[in-house]
Amino acid sequence: AQSVSQHNHHVILSEAASLELGCNYSYGGTVNLFWYVQYPGQHLQLLLKYFSGDPLVKGIKGFEAEFIKSKFSFNLRKPSVQWSDTAEYFCAVNGRSGGYNKLIFGAGTRLAVHP
Amino acid sequence: DGGITQSPKYLFRKEGQNVTLSCEQNLNHDAMYWYRQDPGQGLRLIYYSQIVNDFQKGDIAEGYSVSREKKESFPLTVTSAQKNPTAFYLCASSTPWQGANPVYAGYTFGSGTRLTVV
Repeated sequence: AQSVSQHNHHVILSEAASLELGCNYSYGGTVNLFWYVQYPGQHLQLLLKYFSGDPLVKGIKGFEAEFIKSKFSFNLRKPSVQWSDTAEYFCAVNGRSGGYNKLIFGAGTRLAVHP
Repeated sequence: DGGITQSPKYLFRKEGQNVTLSCEQNLNHDAMYWYRQDPGQGLRLIYYSQIVNDFQKGDIAEGYSVSREKKESFPLTVTSAQKNPTAFYLCASSTPWQGANPVYAGYTFGSGTRLTVV
């Protein structure tokens, strides 16, 4: 069965610190990979996506993620976080099984950035 | 503008009552999905539908039912059998994944319905 694991449930950083959020997935076939962000009181927003090509993907707001197929990983990174990055981050995997697409989310990582 | 409309935004129901959440899209997407969001558990898939008149159970389908009579609409009924129905419910739709080589399946999310059962 398809599953997504996010290793850190809560992360606390100071402004300007570097960020890396881990994401591993379990799925044997071809996948599309996503990172979504949910700011306090707001709705899901797509940060970046991978579906083919260059495994290093750049998204909005200075975020990037690297797809490492051999490790089934899609970690999210940002060199220098800001207070405005305080939010919950979700990794998601879209896989195809039995003729159906489905998008499965990880449990989320809550990031708090202190000034 | 194309998008997904979920209504109502907030919904209160008494315990033991069935309640139906609406999800309508005008994106001409084939596939539609229902998720439940709870703190610390992310978004969990309840039901999904690839085409009209077809739907599949997701990871937490017990206590829920759906229908897909029209391409644009995918209503979710939270039945009295759902033991802990208070949650935030999100609807999504996507473009199809076609053929042997996958194309990007773009997902669009609604703004959600917060259901509180008292």
